[in-house]
Amino acid sequence: DAKTTQPTSMDCAEGRAANLPCNHSTISGNEYVYWYRQIHSQGPQYIIHGLKNNETNEMASLIITEDRKSSTLILPHATLRDTAVYYCIVRKETSGSRLTFGEGTQLTVNP
Amino acid sequence: DAGVTQSPTHLIKTRGQQVTLRCSPKSGHDTVSWYQQALGQGPQFIFQYYEEEERQRGNFPDRFSGHQFPNYSSELNVNALLLGDSALYLCASSQPSLGRSGANVLTFGAGSRLTVL
Repeated sequence: DAKTTQPTSMDCAEGRAANLPCNHSTISGNEYVYWYRQIHSQGPQYIIHGLKNNETNEMASLIITEDRKSSTLILPHATLRDTAVYYCIVRKETSGSRLTFGEGTQLTVNP
Repeated sequence: DAGVTQSPTHLIKTRGQQVTLRCSPKSGHDTVSWYQQALGQGPQFIFQYYEEEERQRGNFPDRFSGHQFPNYSSELNVNALLLGDSALYLCASSQPSLGRSGANVLTFGAGSRLTVL
């Protein structure tokens, strides 16, 4: 699976949009971009995933650049409960349950 | 609908001992995987079980073993514990990809925190 690079930490004001970047310049054509987050003392939680098109669900939006070398996770209206470590993961469809987690981005939402 | 449940939530062992951790998958899921998460790091894949067999394995020694039962629940066993085995052990369940390609979404439990003294 391709390697990902994320900022170590970010801050965001409550109610504002949080934009979390991820670089995956070595991504292959058959690899998906997944985002999970881990709130303190809990297990990771799936947020969203995509291949090449932008995706949106009830939690977030995922914007993937046309060359697929980077992506941005957008939390449109961040709340204090969104404070967590956010992991960007690239994986092949055939990877099964194997997810390769990096160190992620610690997002702190401030009141 | 219960998600993934793990037990125990916390336990303390001494070096050389053996430990068994348990996991019940989310209803409707038949695949279970285990991850180890050291303090301040991301989770690391240990292995995956499907149809009661180990299907994938990460870079972990044979001291780490597992089992899956007919009801899809699973156990993780670690023998000859080392100080470095202290970590949060996470269980995740999933179902075979349905519909949308690549949608192998994992549901994680809250983990079992193991401390080795």
